[in-house]
Amino acid sequence: KAGVTQTPRYLIKTRGQQVTLSCSPISGHRSVSWYQQTPGQGLQFLFEYFSETQRNKGNFPGRFSGRQFSNSRSEMNVSTLELGDSALYLCASSPRTSVQETQYFGPGTRLLVL
Amino acid sequence: DQKVKQNSPSLSVQEGRISILNCDYTNSMFDYFLWYKKYPAEGPTFLISISSIKDKNEDGRFTVFLNKSAKHLSLHIVPSQPGDSAVYFCAGTVVTGANNLFFGTGTRLTVIP
Repeated sequence: KAGVTQTPRYLIKTRGQQVTLSCSPISGHRSVSWYQQTPGQGLQFLFEYFSETQRNKGNFPGRFSGRQFSNSRSEMNVSTLELGDSALYLCASSPRTSVQETQYFGPGTRLLVL
Repeated sequence: DQKVKQNSPSLSVQEGRISILNCDYTNSMFDYFLWYKKYPAEGPTFLISISSIKDKNEDGRFTVFLNKSAKHLSLHIVPSQPGDSAVYFCAGTVVTGANNLFFGTGTRLTVIP
């Protein structure tokens, strides 16, 4: 099976712009979670989608949003970018929405905000 | 509020010796813990997990120990191999909660040949 894919892999934006990141889960996986990784904070949970519904959201401002399509592909959007949004954004997929199901991570999208 | 802490940002170990990576958590509701390994330019990959009903779980060279009273877990790698050099993240969560892992900041393990 193909792994989790994320596009683009690298992105440079300027403050105030918005960005959309894409995640294609492993075939058959219906749960997609998004995480932000920064050097000082490690991986922080952004949100999880299952069957096109947001099930849970982390402690991030409303500028961070996401959605999931009927084929389980997911996108996350960050509006009004700030310098502090520079990070590696990882998505992870699992068959069902349970922490006991192994989450498979993609390689991430590295976002740099100038 | 960092619910899961990995206080050692880095660790160097000789090949063949034991690597011990430590992790502390503050949320007493956590009942499931995981370790992930991350190589550069790749996403984290699942390594091993442990439920709070156990105090030890073993998988080949990897063993995770859980001390609930101390809110502490550790990952032992024996023997350590150069290919184990990576960043290791521990994570805690609540099984009946949402599909949300709380990760530590990671420990970079370097195994010296």
